[in-house]
Amino acid sequence: DAMVIQNPRYQVTQFGKPVTLSCSQTLNHNVMYWYQQKSSQAPKLLFHYYDKDFNNEADTPDNFQSRRPNTSFCFLDIRSPGLGDAAMYLCATSRAGTGSGNQPQHFGDGTRLSIL
Amino acid sequence: AQTVTQSQPEMSVQEAETVTLSCTYDTSESDYYLFWYKQPPSRQMILVIRQEAYKQQNATENRFSVNFQKAAKSFSLKISDSQLGDAAMYFCAYRSAAPGTYKYIFGTGTRLKVLA
Repeated sequence: DAMVIQNPRYQVTQFGKPVTLSCSQTLNHNVMYWYQQKSSQAPKLLFHYYDKDFNNEADTPDNFQSRRPNTSFCFLDIRSPGLGDAAMYLCATSRAGTGSGNQPQHFGDGTRLSIL
Repeated sequence: AQTVTQSQPEMSVQEAETVTLSCTYDTSESDYYLFWYKQPPSRQMILVIRQEAYKQQNATENRFSVNFQKAAKSFSLKISDSQLGDAAMYFCAYRSAAPGTYKYIFGTGTRLKVLA
């Protein structure tokens, strides 16, 4: 089945130690998103790509970076994680283009990040 | 800027009964899309139902239906014959139909408990 896959499901890192979360998709969607979700809250959009065009949210900390080397893969890099960055990180995809506005996002299972 | 409001942080329903989750939104646009997503505990967020703003007919998907009131900017979700598996966080989301817009705006969510 076509899907969005996030690895790992659980990631533990030390305060200040860089960490990378990965996302891959087999849906061939041209838009990929990264969200941060804290307990029982709405997902907060960090950034999204339309193809290779990167769109950063104004309130996304500089500590968060992203790479999309090709259509299928997208990475979230946290350069110096702080305790406040402990959260669930969700990757999502959607199809953009003429007539695709009603297409929903497809989400991965998420990566739960813990900071020691 | 568009906003989405879910005024019920938590709702409870008896198994086999009907429950309605509220969602209101604010926009100056006339064309857009609305979605309800379900996020079970520690599981993937999935689409429940979607509605195109230009359609007057309310969307239905099996036991799930919406009451879309465009003038009132209201988009409530009705779950009939509630089942234990319906217990989850439910998020209402908005997406503009404007060309080049790929962001989904989420409400803060409603936690639904289903009582046996």
